[in-house]
Amino acid sequence: GAVVSQHPSRVICKSGTSVKIECRSLDFQATTMFWYRQFPKQSLMLMATSNEGSKATYEQGVEKDKFLINHASLTLSTLTVTSAHPEDSSFYICSADDNTYEQYFGPGTRLTVT
Amino acid sequence: KQEVTQIPAALSVPEGENLVLNCSFTDSAIYNLQWFRQDPGKGLTSLLLIQSSQREQTSGRLNASLDKSSGRSTLYIAASQPGDSATYLCAVSGYGGSQGNLIFGKGTKLSVKP
Repeated sequence: GAVVSQHPSRVICKSGTSVKIECRSLDFQATTMFWYRQFPKQSLMLMATSNEGSKATYEQGVEKDKFLINHASLTLSTLTVTSAHPEDSSFYICSADDNTYEQYFGPGTRLTVT
Repeated sequence: KQEVTQIPAALSVPEGENLVLNCSFTDSAIYNLQWFRQDPGKGLTSLLLIQSSQREQTSGRLNASLDKSSGRSTLYIAASQPGDSATYLCAVSGYGGSQGNLIFGKGTKLSVKP
């Protein structure tokens, strides 16, 4: 089956620093990848849709200058949280679309900003 | 705006019981509906995907039904096992013409006691 990986799985950073999270589709090409955020006891909320070779589409209320998304190849998308603050601490999950509109999810990245 | 609701929020059953998890959505214009499993601190595992033209899907002890007109789906788990303990998430896609975006419910936390 389709496999999506994320790196790192956990990261702790200091307030004001930037953190990059990678999302890779390991055995298929993904023209579209999605980034979600999940706060404790809440549902996953879509942050942005990433299309290979073009700018990401951000959901309402998500700051595009704070959450930088790059989808440089058909197997890799990155999310960079710039100038992270404690309120950015969350569980970030990516997913990849294999062109059948079924999404395959990565294992998630737990970000803690101190 | 599409909203997805899952009832109950939590459920505890003894091993061996059959159980039903419920999901409702406000806008019937969906492309598909997916059920996922999420273990604590982990990513999502896709369980079943039902296209809008389908009424049910089965995989092993799991059966998911979809009644698009009434905005409801159920996930039936037969002969529950302790290993089924997890949070089960329902998600719909296709709202607003965007087939890839998933709107998630908050999940039902299932605990199966040995």
